[in-house]
Amino acid sequence: QTVVTQEPAFSVSPGGTVTLTCGLSSGSVSTNHYPSWYQQTPGRAPRLLIYITNTRSSGVPDRFSGSILGNKAALTITGAQADDESDYYCVLFLGRGTWVFGGGTKLTVL
Amino acid sequence: EVQLVESGGDLLQPGESLRLSCAASGFTFSGDWMHWVRQTPGKGLVWVSYISPDGTTTNYADYVNGRFTISRDNAKNMLFLQMDSLRAEDTAVYYCATGRTYAMDVWGQGTAVTVSS
Repeated sequence: QTVVTQEPAFSVSPGGTVTLTCGLSSGSVSTNHYPSWYQQTPGRAPRLLIYITNTRSSGVPDRFSGSILGNKAALTITGAQADDESDYYCVLFLGRGTWVFGGGTKLTVL
Repeated sequence: EVQLVESGGDLLQPGESLRLSCAASGFTFSGDWMHWVRQTPGKGLVWVSYISPDGTTTNYADYVNGRFTISRDNAKNMLFLQMDSLRAEDTAVYYCATGRTYAMDVWGQGTAVTVSS
């Protein structure tokens, strides 16, 4: 069974830059997995940030960017702000109508 | 405004059945793929199922094991998830989401399902 991996937790200083990654238990992530990224704060529904690897969803600040770094998908937050403190999830399309979420990364801004 | 509103969540016993609904508004529902995603209390998001715009193509996560059925009524802008043979591990908040560009674009607020004896 394919597992999508994310760092369980990360911290960043206000104004700093952080890169969260999204990998596969077997193989490399590519654009063919159409990686997407979501932000979720406690008690709220997830919010789409990035889709098709690097396209920002409507209204998402440009401090959020997506890419492929090596064999993983990546979400970079440049100039982190206090309200970026959230859980971040990636999703990969594995083909044959199947999507798999990563376990999520809890980002702390301090 | 694009809006999704889930309903139907309940407290049930193992083995029982439940039908979740998702009412869509503010967009052309019949043109969009739709997903169900769930989240166990305090845990991460897990993809459950998706359905094509015309309802002819569906797929499910392996753990569903034939117990869930996704469907839609485009005339009423409604998405459904029929869940049978429920287990304790199905306890979660269930979200519906629009499925454009291989992503889950817009999400509802979720509906809670609790399976407990």
